[in-house]
Amino acid sequence: EAQVTQNPRYLITVTGKKLTVTCSQNMNHEYMSWYRQDPGLGLRQIYYSMNVEVTDKGDVPEGYKVSRKEKRNFPLILESPSPNQTSLYFCASSLTGTRAGNEQFFGPGTRLTVL
Amino acid sequence: QQPVQSPQAVILREGEDAVINCSSSKALYSVHWYRQKHGEAPVFLMILLKGGEQKGHEKISASFNEKKQQSSLYLTASQLSYSGTYFCGTEARDDYKLSFGAGTTVTVRA
Repeated sequence: EAQVTQNPRYLITVTGKKLTVTCSQNMNHEYMSWYRQDPGLGLRQIYYSMNVEVTDKGDVPEGYKVSRKEKRNFPLILESPSPNQTSLYFCASSLTGTRAGNEQFFGPGTRLTVL
Repeated sequence: QQPVQSPQAVILREGEDAVINCSSSKALYSVHWYRQKHGEAPVFLMILLKGGEQKGHEKISASFNEKKQQSSLYLTASQLSYSGTYFCGTEARDDYKLSFGAGTTVTVRA
């Protein structure tokens, strides 16, 4: 089944404890992206990757890192989480990027709480 | 910068029509529309590209006014399944970021 998977789905952690949220897609997509969703603010793009060689910042990259070492995986790293990073996170992928008119497929989401 | 969506919420009866608007302060390359149902991930509706090309796969239509940096999503003869939160996403001509609006919550009642 073609899908985007995220792990973990739920995570409660404490301030300053490094964490990684994994994202994997099995559709051979070039483009991958991370979003956070907060009430009243909609979806905000954190980072995106056009392919394994190109990664760039979205609208809210502060406090996050990403890594794209292989096409299928795009982990989101919070090296020192803070309470304002409590949010619902979505990973998404598309075939060759949104410029080409390709739809994004979203993962199921990861609900993160930072105490 | 996030695009601005209006209205924030709309309540419809089955069979009624609605329009959701999306506007940006930037010159746009494309506008994307997604729908999200409660507790689920966003799902693609359509993309409108600069130059007039339109893509989509549902019986919901949209327009894109490049000169005004505006897009509108038209829900015609609404069905119960149209309920959800609709997000527009915009790509500016000068970068590849995708910025989403805050969303419009649509409730369709029988």
